[in-house]
Amino acid sequence: AQTVTQSQPEMSVQEAETVTLSCTYDTSESNYYLFWYKQPPSRQMILVIRQEAYKQQNATENRFSVNFQKAAKSFSLKISDSQLGDTAMYFCAFMSGGTASKLTFGTGTRLQVTL
Amino acid sequence: DTGVSQDPRHKITKRGQNVTFRCDPISEHNRLYWYRQTLGQGPEFLTYFQNEAQLEKSRLLSDRFSAERPKGSFSTLEIQRTEQGDSAMYLCASSLVGLAVYNEQFFGPGTRLTVL
Repeated sequence: AQTVTQSQPEMSVQEAETVTLSCTYDTSESNYYLFWYKQPPSRQMILVIRQEAYKQQNATENRFSVNFQKAAKSFSLKISDSQLGDTAMYFCAFMSGGTASKLTFGTGTRLQVTL
Repeated sequence: DTGVSQDPRHKITKRGQNVTFRCDPISEHNRLYWYRQTLGQGPEFLTYFQNEAQLEKSRLLSDRFSAERPKGSFSTLEIQRTEQGDSAMYLCASSLVGLAVYNEQFFGPGTRLTVL
């Protein structure tokens, strides 16, 4: 069974600064996907960024980028130029590439962006 | 169609009562997932459907829980004889699975259940 660990329950960053959220995972599979989801207060979860395990290049989506270290089973999210709207819970998630079905989530990191 | 919808958004019930939640996926999506999220935790997978077939159930889904997706459209999740431990946010997600292996799951706003 796969596990996803987020060791930072809460983080805070000032507006316009950069913050990195950590995630580690454990799996015996070689083909899988990793995700970061954002869940704003009282709003639905949305996908921030996705990484395919077979790709060596780190994924980037505008201000969001990941540092994917496959051997270390590490998948961190970097948010550059943080904005107040980035305040949310951030969940790291794993999906097996074989069945492409369920997501396994970490416990989340609550990010607060301050002025 | 603006996304996945869930009804009701909030449900308060007394222990021992039955409750039913509904999820309407994005119209062309053939996969539908149910997750449960307790306070301070990430969502946990419960079950998923491809069209009307229920393909996987988590061991979290006790025999008090049942899910259906008649005709491969909307889905219902019923909890019988609710317990206080069932209090959680129940999330629904849908995706379109086709030739590509990966298809993004789109989440609904959730149904927050409180069992008194």
